[in-house]
Amino acid sequence: EVQLLESGGGLVQPGGSLRLSCAASGFTFNIYGMSWVRQAPGTGLEWVSTISGSGDTKFYADSVKGRFTISRDNSKNTLYLEMNNLRAEDTALYYCVQCSGGFCYQKYFHPWGQGTLVTVSS
Amino acid sequence: IQLTQSPSSLSASVGDRVTITCRASQGISSYLAWYQQKPGKAPKLLIYGASTLQSGVPSRFSGSGSGTDFTLTISSLQPEDFATYFCHQLNSYPFTFGQGTRLEIK
Repeated sequence: EVQLLESGGGLVQPGGSLRLSCAASGFTFNIYGMSWVRQAPGTGLEWVSTISGSGDTKFYADSVKGRFTISRDNSKNTLYLEMNNLRAEDTALYYCVQCSGGFCYQKYFHPWGQGTLVTVSS
Repeated sequence: IQLTQSPSSLSASVGDRVTITCRASQGISSYLAWYQQKPGKAPKLLIYGASTLQSGVPSRFSGSGSGTDFTLTISSLQPEDFATYFCHQLNSYPFTFGQGTRLEIK
């Protein structure tokens, strides 16, 4: 059974940094692209970033480009999201998601982790 | 690519047939997925490739469409179907989601 377990969320001041982690199990991690999707309280879903199975190709939403960095350690079956210069509008539940192929492009997202909450507030 | 879902909310009764639409601002071929989200839970994949039912999803759910216009249909609503539904395009970056359709009990 595929499991995705996010961690690293918490309360941070504006301008601060956090690193989210997603521990994956139940599948051959280095074959699949992975993504982060966030959901602000009471709102819809926003794609944040995607990384290919090898880690060589990365994409970012304009809203986080230059502030967030996606990475993965295939030896540890772990996905990361390094978040810097955090803003109030980054407050959200961050989901780790498996793509259905090595590149998420023209694939689909399944399954989703349960999410880790990031709150940016002074 | 913007995805516009309609309606934004919908009240229906158990046994009703319900259709939710998703319109893309430009063509996305069939690279559209539908997810169901219940309160406090992660989204769950229902349909991918516009019309392919994910394994384990009841057959009362179906999807159709290609290009810019897509639909999700629930043929006979069950109590567990009351949730929020999102469409999602993976045809090109940046990936985008519809704003969601909240399906409520009448």
